[in-house]
Amino acid sequence: EPEVTQTPSHQVTQMGQEVILRCVPISNHLYFYWYRQILGQKVEFLVSFYNNEISEKSEIFDDQFSVERPDGSNFTLKIRSTKLEDSAMYFCASNFRVRQETQYFGPGTRLLVL
Amino acid sequence: QQQVKQSPQSLIVQKGGISIINCAYENTAFDYFPWYQQFPGKGPALLIAIRPDVSEKKEGRFTISFNKSAKQFSLHIMDSQPGDSATYFCAASMAGANNLFFGTGTRLTVIP
Repeated sequence: EPEVTQTPSHQVTQMGQEVILRCVPISNHLYFYWYRQILGQKVEFLVSFYNNEISEKSEIFDDQFSVERPDGSNFTLKIRSTKLEDSAMYFCASNFRVRQETQYFGPGTRLLVL
Repeated sequence: QQQVKQSPQSLIVQKGGISIINCAYENTAFDYFPWYQQFPGKGPALLIAIRPDVSEKKEGRFTISFNKSAKQFSLHIMDSQPGDSATYFCAASMAGANNLFFGTGTRLTVIP
């Protein structure tokens, strides 16, 4: 069964450094998402992406964040200058059609900012 | 602002018992209500979902009950098994929107 994959599984970085989290969505999916989950808290929407542009973003997704689909398979989330409060699990998700179709989540990248 | 409120935070159930997790929402624009199951170290996976035109949906041992007037919905797990031990999230989304609003999660433990 196809699945969303994410790399790395864990990343430790120093405050102020840039990080890039990578995702490979399911191959025929067209809509891509990033969510984050701070330890012990709920999953929060960051951004959705379709047709090579952001279709929706939350207040969390400020100028420090950016997303890109650099080729036909990868979908990346960049945090330009990490802060301590960016420490969280970051999930990538994808689906074939928007409008409330099942979103398939990857296993996540645990980011720790020191 | 908490769009979806979920309770309880944790739940311990005996094997064979019924697990019940409740969610409430405020935004009447929500029209899709999925439940996700998350095992440690894994991403959330869709378990079952409902739209507000029905009051109940059943898939195997899992049932969603939906009360539109009360703006509440709940997940019932019948004949709970130790393999059901996981964190369960309710969620909601609006027509035309891409993002899911998640509840705070319920950690379910089913003891043998």
